[in-house]
Amino acid sequence: LAKTTQPISMDSYEGQEVNITCSHNNIATNDYITWYQQFPSQGPRFIIQGYKTKVTNEVASLFIPADRKSSTLSLPRVSLSDTAVYYCLVGARSQGGKLIFGQGTELSVKP
Amino acid sequence: NAGVTQTPKFRVLKTGQSMTLLCAQDMNHEYMYWYRQDPGMGLRLIHYSVGEGTTAKGEVPDGYNVSRLKKQNFLLGLESAAPSQTSVYFCASSYTGQGRVKWNEQFFGPGTRLTVL
Repeated sequence: LAKTTQPISMDSYEGQEVNITCSHNNIATNDYITWYQQFPSQGPRFIIQGYKTKVTNEVASLFIPADRKSSTLSLPRVSLSDTAVYYCLVGARSQGGKLIFGQGTELSVKP
Repeated sequence: NAGVTQTPKFRVLKTGQSMTLLCAQDMNHEYMYWYRQDPGMGLRLIHYSVGEGTTAKGEVPDGYNVSRLKKQNFLLGLESAAPSQTSVYFCASSYTGQGRVKWNEQFFGPGTRLTVL
């Protein structure tokens, strides 16, 4: 399973766009990139998943360059409720759904 | 639907005691997982199951055993608890991914906070 590297923490203010970048230099051809969000005292929650280019849903956008060695999670106009830890994961269908969580990025949104 | 439920929510054990954590899901998911999360750390996979009657080791399986006798239940056992097993334990489940767009989406339970003295 490819290892990922993310910033340990980030600060932002309400209403700003937040971009969290994840490096995965050893990503394999069959690997997908998935992001999860975790609030204190809760289990992680799936946010978005992609393979290449751009994916957008009602919560976030995921940008993946052509070489797929990194990805950027974009949260538009964050609010205080977006304060959480965000995890970037890389894996393939063939791995039985196994996910390897790193330390994640602790996002703090201030008023 | 209740989703993924975990029993108990909290537990305190003495070193050497044993216990079983129960995870149940009502979404007819094939895959189930047990993770532990230590303070300030990410989740680490203990064991997982890709179907009824099957289990496999994850990143940190030592000191734990699991069983998946029924599709909806996944049990995590600690035979002889140690202080190093003090952690929050999360159970999760997911579909196999066949024909699904969000095939890597796992659904997590609320967690069990375990303290071993």
